[in-house]
Amino acid sequence: GESVGLHLPTLSVQEGDNSIINCAYSNSASDYFIWYKQESGKGPQFIIDIRSNMDKRQGQRVTVLLNKTVKHLSLQIAATQPGDSAVYFCAERGGSYIPTFGRGTSLIVHP
Amino acid sequence: GAVVSQHPSRVICKSGTSVKIECRSLDFQATTMFWYRQFPKQSLMLMATSNEGSKATYEQGVEKDKFLINHASLTLSTLTVTSAHPEDSSFYICSALWGNQPQHFGDGTRLSIL
Repeated sequence: GESVGLHLPTLSVQEGDNSIINCAYSNSASDYFIWYKQESGKGPQFIIDIRSNMDKRQGQRVTVLLNKTVKHLSLQIAATQPGDSAVYFCAERGGSYIPTFGRGTSLIVHP
Repeated sequence: GAVVSQHPSRVICKSGTSVKIECRSLDFQATTMFWYRQFPKQSLMLMATSNEGSKATYEQGVEKDKFLINHASLTLSTLTVTSAHPEDSSFYICSALWGNQPQHFGDGTRLSIL
């Protein structure tokens, strides 16, 4: 079946660096993509989303890029802080309203 | 602030006990609520989808008699783990969806069965 996956299970960065977390998806019918942040012992928290009619969307310190040609999604975090340490999940939604989650990337920020 | 409240946050109980977990949407009426299970260092595994006033739709491999879901109102869904055993120990997370918005998650329930 179709799925959403992540390239890097763990990403370690130094405080102040920019972080890039990648996600590949295979469902060409997906038209809505979401990034979530999950801190230890908590539920996922919405970060940013993007619809398929866009290729870039910016938030506060975060940018999501969507490349529909190669079915690739990325989350960029500027000036990464220790508080950004968490697991990041991408999710996609297609014709069904039920999102599919990738396996997650653990971001570790070293002070 | 939180838009989805999940309670309790942690449960420790003996084998054979039934445990009820509540999920409430606080600022909106949820058209759909989802229940997930998450094992350590893994992604979220969808267990079931529930709509208010109708029976929940369970994912393949999830026992509906084991994990009872009740969605009595547009703001409340409950998951009851019946006759829980140690293998049911896990992190259970609910989420709520309204319209075409991203789903919002509760903070999860850590269930430990002794």
